[in-house]
Amino acid sequence: AQSVTQLDSHVSVSEGTPVLLRCNYSSSYSPSLFWYVQHPNKGLQLLLKYTSAATLVKGINGFEAEFKKSETSFHLTKPSAHMSDAAEYFCVVSDGKKTSYDKVIFGPGTSLSVIP
Amino acid sequence: DSGVTQTPKHLITATGQRVTLRCSPRSGDLSVYWYQQSLDQGLQFLIQYYNGEERAKGNILERFSAQQFPDLHSELNLSSLELGDSALYFCASSVTSAPGDTQYFGPGTRLTVL
Repeated sequence: AQSVTQLDSHVSVSEGTPVLLRCNYSSSYSPSLFWYVQHPNKGLQLLLKYTSAATLVKGINGFEAEFKKSETSFHLTKPSAHMSDAAEYFCVVSDGKKTSYDKVIFGPGTSLSVIP
Repeated sequence: DSGVTQTPKHLITATGQRVTLRCSPRSGDLSVYWYQQSLDQGLQFLIQYYNGEERAKGNILERFSAQQFPDLHSELNLSSLELGDSALYFCASSVTSAPGDTQYFGPGTRLTVL
């Protein structure tokens, strides 16, 4: 069965320091993996996605994530945090070989705070 | 701006009532998805439509129903509302119905049931 674990419910970093948001998944097949960001009172915005191409995926706003099959991880990183990065981040896994959409699972979210 | 629009932005109603939430997908997208986001349950997939037909069901209650019209807009109907139905309801759209397809989310409708 598919599952997504976001290891930290809340992360706090200082502006200008690196960001690391952790995500581990389980999937029966080769998964598609996504990171979405949700700013307060806004909808979700796609940051990046992995669909079995390059394992290091670059997204918008300087974010990137690395797919590590051996560790079943898809951690999100950014070299230098900006105040505007403060938001909720969701890791999402979908089973790429199945056609049933209910196999897409959202993680519980990680709230990122950026301290000036 | 994702290109997905949802109306209304806010809705306040009483228990037992019925409401309709509306979603217009991005131009060219054939799939529409509905999600419920609440503090205790997180983000949950409710239902998916593709080109007018129901494609997948998630944790959607029997009191809830949805449809996608020929112009591809979608409506989510919530009836016999309970306090616990208070949540943010998001609509998303994608070009195809494949699970790996990128979804674009609307700004959401905040439903408050009093």
